[in-house]
Amino acid sequence: KNQVEQSPQSLIILEGKNCTLQCNYTVSPFSNLRWYKQDTGRGPVSLTIMTFSENTKSNGRYTATLDADTKQSSLHITASQLSDSASYICVVRLGGYNKLIFGAGTRLAVHP
Amino acid sequence: EPEVTQTPSHQVTQMGQEVILRCVPISNHLYFYWYRQILGQKVEFLVSFYNNEISEKSEIFDDQFSVERPDGSNFTLKIRSTKLEDSAMYFCASSERGGPDTQYFGPGTRLTVL
Repeated sequence: KNQVEQSPQSLIILEGKNCTLQCNYTVSPFSNLRWYKQDTGRGPVSLTIMTFSENTKSNGRYTATLDADTKQSSLHITASQLSDSASYICVVRLGGYNKLIFGAGTRLAVHP
Repeated sequence: EPEVTQTPSHQVTQMGQEVILRCVPISNHLYFYWYRQILGQKVEFLVSFYNNEISEKSEIFDDQFSVERPDGSNFTLKIRSTKLEDSAMYFCASSERGGPDTQYFGPGTRLTVL
């Protein structure tokens, strides 16, 4: 079954600290992996898209990694800000289709 | 920056009633999608739409659901006879092309079925 699992479920960090969120997937065929940020009550906003051949991609303070062999991805956030408080969702696109398969997300809370 | 818009932001309806959720995708985008998110659960794919027809749909998208692009700007999701379990946040998304392109999501419509 095509699934995307994320850990931890929730995370609390202090402002200025770094954190890493994990994603494991069992989607086949694989096309690409995306990380989205979703603020409460809002639509998801794309942070990065990574294809099979990409290992690392950065977007400002966000750095995503992908290991296609182990089917794992991580999202690293450096120097966290209060505005980083949101759910971070790992999403995998099914190869040959437009369908996106979503993880449950990691709810990040950044405290002052 | 162009964005996807959705109306209404919140819709309350009685069970068995028909609802139409509206979306205005980004103007040069050709692919359109609907997703739903039941409170506390994952976002789930419903349907994708291209060239005036459904290109993919999930098991959730049964005969009670339909989509339409009635004019050059709007994209709608109709639920014919709402059930309590249809209560969810419904997100519209669009992309310039299909495949690997980024899908841009709207702010969502919260549907509450009483």
